[in-house]
Amino acid sequence: AQKVTQAQTEISVVEKEDVTLDCVYETRDTTYYLFWYKQPPSGELVFLIRRNSFDEQNEISGRYSWNFQKSTSSFNFTITASQVVDSAVYFCALSEGYGSGNTGKLIFGQGTTLQVKP
Amino acid sequence: GAVVSQHPSRVICKSGTSVKIECRSLDFQATTMFWYRQFPKQSLMLMATSNEGSKATYEQGVEKDKFLINHASLTLSTLTVTSAHPEDSSFYICSASLQSHYTEAFFGQGTRLTVV
Repeated sequence: AQKVTQAQTEISVVEKEDVTLDCVYETRDTTYYLFWYKQPPSGELVFLIRRNSFDEQNEISGRYSWNFQKSTSSFNFTITASQVVDSAVYFCALSEGYGSGNTGKLIFGQGTTLQVKP
Repeated sequence: GAVVSQHPSRVICKSGTSVKIECRSLDFQATTMFWYRQFPKQSLMLMATSNEGSKATYEQGVEKDKFLINHASLTLSTLTVTSAHPEDSSFYICSASLQSHYTEAFFGQGTRLTVV
């Protein structure tokens, strides 16, 4: 069965600290996509990254970086030098299948609420 | 990226009435749209998958007679909450998949429904 677990319910850091949000997933499919979304208080989901199961390269985008490890079924997200504007709920999600075999259906983790204090 | 517009963003309705939420793909054709529900401080749970021109597929535990989904065109899906009750108050958000590119779902802005 597919499942995404974000064990950290809430994290509080002080501005400029680095913070890592954990994500562990379960799937029987050998092809899948993993996502991270940011949900600010306004509610909309902001797409951050998509990674397919064939690509284990880590990615860095500005202060954001992602570590994908298939061996541990983890897709962790690190924010470097956090800022108050990073305060939001962050969701990790899984979508099974690849290419035309993927419907776009997402399985979300429980979300991690990140609070960055000035 | 592709744009999905959801309307209304907020709605308050009286208990017993029905409310319709629209989800439109503005610049692409979406053969598949998804409806999610999010309770306060909780995750997003898939309610149903909507395919253009066919009946929606509901997830287990979702009442299809209460949450009516219509996907009449490649750019529009609607969710109607019938005979709403306070427990239906929630955040509803839709997403749409490109016809030829299934690897990313584009989300609407969400609708916050309050039933009083």
